[in-house]
Amino acid sequence: ILNVEQSPQSLHVQEGDSTNFTCSFPSSNFYALHWYRWETAKSPEALFVMTLNGDEKKKGRISATLNTKEGYSYLYIKGSQPEDSATYLCAFPNAGGTSYGKLTFGQGTILTVHP
Amino acid sequence: NAGVTQTPKFQVLKTGQSMTLQCAQDMNHNSMYWYRQDPGMGLRLIYYSASEGTTDKGEVPNGYNVSRLNKREFSLRLESAAPSQTSVYFCASSEARLAGMYYNEQFFGPGTRLTVL
Repeated sequence: ILNVEQSPQSLHVQEGDSTNFTCSFPSSNFYALHWYRWETAKSPEALFVMTLNGDEKKKGRISATLNTKEGYSYLYIKGSQPEDSATYLCAFPNAGGTSYGKLTFGQGTILTVHP
Repeated sequence: NAGVTQTPKFQVLKTGQSMTLQCAQDMNHNSMYWYRQDPGMGLRLIYYSASEGTTDKGEVPNGYNVSRLNKREFSLRLESAAPSQTSVYFCASSEARLAGMYYNEQFFGPGTRLTVL
């Protein structure tokens, strides 16, 4: 079973604060690292799929970086807004010819942005 | 496009009853997945189907069966429901062809909230 860990488990910030959280994953057999955003009462939606060491991806105020050698990725949110409140999940693809897109998810970081 | 649809949205069962959760996708994806989500446990894979006609166990398959009816549909069956199966169930799909199976994002359905009394 792959070990994908996220920290912190939960985070409370004020509107306008910038914040970041971490996903750690096995550094061997790296293919990709996925980030998903999951709003309450909705379904998870993909934010980024990161593949290259040193990669940085950005979508609006959210960005992510990747370090495959040490096995971690950071997700940053600049100037948090209440609508950023969600659970942020990272996921690590399982290797092997029969795994076909299987992902192991971390337990998520629950972000609450207070107005 | 509807994306991934699931029925029903809510269900209450008594211990020992059976039911089937339905999932369909209209994105012509090869791979489909069933997850359960429990507080503090994240998303755990129950079963997946790499392509039409194939299914395989995930992390928590006990008490469940699946059928990949065709490329669009992937159903999850509880033969004899137990209170431990109270959870929110998500179906997902992805393109996941051999050459890109690590890179393709998964698309999730709206979930089924199941309570077993």
